[in-house]
Amino acid sequence: GQNIDQPTEMTATEGAIVQINCTYQTSGFNGLFWYQQHAGEAPTFLSYNVLDGLEEKGRFSSFLSRSKGYSYLLLKELQMKDSASYLCAVMDSNYQLIWGAGTKLIIKP
Amino acid sequence: DAMVIQNPRYQVTQFGKPVTLSCSQTLNHNVMYWYQQKSSQAPKLLFHYYDKDFNNEADTPDNFQSRRPNTSFCFLDIRSPGLGDAAMYLCATSRDSGVGSDTQYFGPGTRLTVL
Repeated sequence: GQNIDQPTEMTATEGAIVQINCTYQTSGFNGLFWYQQHAGEAPTFLSYNVLDGLEEKGRFSSFLSRSKGYSYLLLKELQMKDSASYLCAVMDSNYQLIWGAGTKLIIKP
Repeated sequence: DAMVIQNPRYQVTQFGKPVTLSCSQTLNHNVMYWYQQKSSQAPKLLFHYYDKDFNNEADTPDNFQSRRPNTSFCFLDIRSPGLGDAAMYLCATSRDSGVGSDTQYFGPGTRLTVL
């Protein structure tokens, strides 16, 4: 079966750095997406990785290792508004998005 | 601004009373998706349309139907809502469905309550 694993919840301090991990087992791989979802709202696109390595976009970076079936989202200089769920999703060989359940990130002052 | 719009944002219905949720897009994307998302769970794909071609997920209950009368609009019909159908319903679009990098863009969602 296809599976995406992420921690359920993480806590971090305002101004700090946090890394949210995602491991996956899917039938084929056509890229990995990270989305941010605030409570009661729709997911918004953060990043896309299809090649190994780090993609940096402002305070957010995303890393991919295809051989390990592993990705992480790195958030720097955390702000209170970063409190949200972060969803990892993998596009499989049929171009279907397989979603993780999300990691709820709690930011404390 | 190009966007995905869902109406209503909040919908309350009674057990067994049919309900229709609507989605429209100004992105001119070929693909439209309907997801169901329950609290602290991953979005669950119900259906998607590539243009007018309808694709039903194997485990989507028959109680759920969908219509896409034109490129811009898509509807989700729940024929006889049960208490277990209370959830957030998310509409998303993408330009294509056979391209790995094709991002899905989501509407704000409709939160359905079943009394």
